[in-house]
Amino acid sequence: DTAVSQTPKYLVTQMGNDKSIKCEQNLGHDTMYWYKQDSKKFLKIMFSYNNKELIINETVPNRFSPKSPDKAHLNLHINSLELGDSAVYFCASSPFQWGRELFFGEGSRLTVL
Amino acid sequence: DQQVKQNSPSLSVQEGRISILNCDYTNSMFDYFLWYKKYPAEGPTFLISISSIKDKNEDGRFTVFLNKSAKHLSLHIVPSQPGDSAVYFCAASATGTASKLTFGTGTRLQVTL
Repeated sequence: DTAVSQTPKYLVTQMGNDKSIKCEQNLGHDTMYWYKQDSKKFLKIMFSYNNKELIINETVPNRFSPKSPDKAHLNLHINSLELGDSAVYFCASSPFQWGRELFFGEGSRLTVL
Repeated sequence: DQQVKQNSPSLSVQEGRISILNCDYTNSMFDYFLWYKKYPAEGPTFLISISSIKDKNEDGRFTVFLNKSAKHLSLHIVPSQPGDSAVYFCAASATGTASKLTFGTGTRLQVTL
């Protein structure tokens, strides 16, 4: 039973489209994250939610909108996709807000054509 | 601005020998450091961590050393095993920034028979 699961794992779409990536964790953790790994392999934090409340919002374009319906789910919606959005997006969770040992999902590879 | 650097993109070590992976950081506010291991098509998994109040932390075959004056940490794996072949990411965080981890670009370790 996967602890942090993301869907879809692969996504290929055209520029200008809107897409969503879903994430669910069954660890009972309070805090969830979205990280982006770009073509240069940098893993950078995008957002963090603690008990459905946004606590970290890095410099991310407004086209990216996270939504946390409950503390076990954190979805990422991306509007008007651009070529530069192509990356692997990792969802992660930690037991509490100050936890540094993150549990990552398998990643969702987004390719924008 | 790359605050965490892993200057060796790859490393090849024979089975049974020691693997040494290096990481440098520039931000003096970092006070907690972690190593994550990543297999292909999987998310990173937490391996070992060290607080800035220590200079060494050991867990089985894995030891992390921290040299604060040099802003350098290293991960030693002894003895190396083929299953250790993976990409290793160094990460750092600062107190007060929640769980915002800053990652290096990773070092690919290949353990050969």
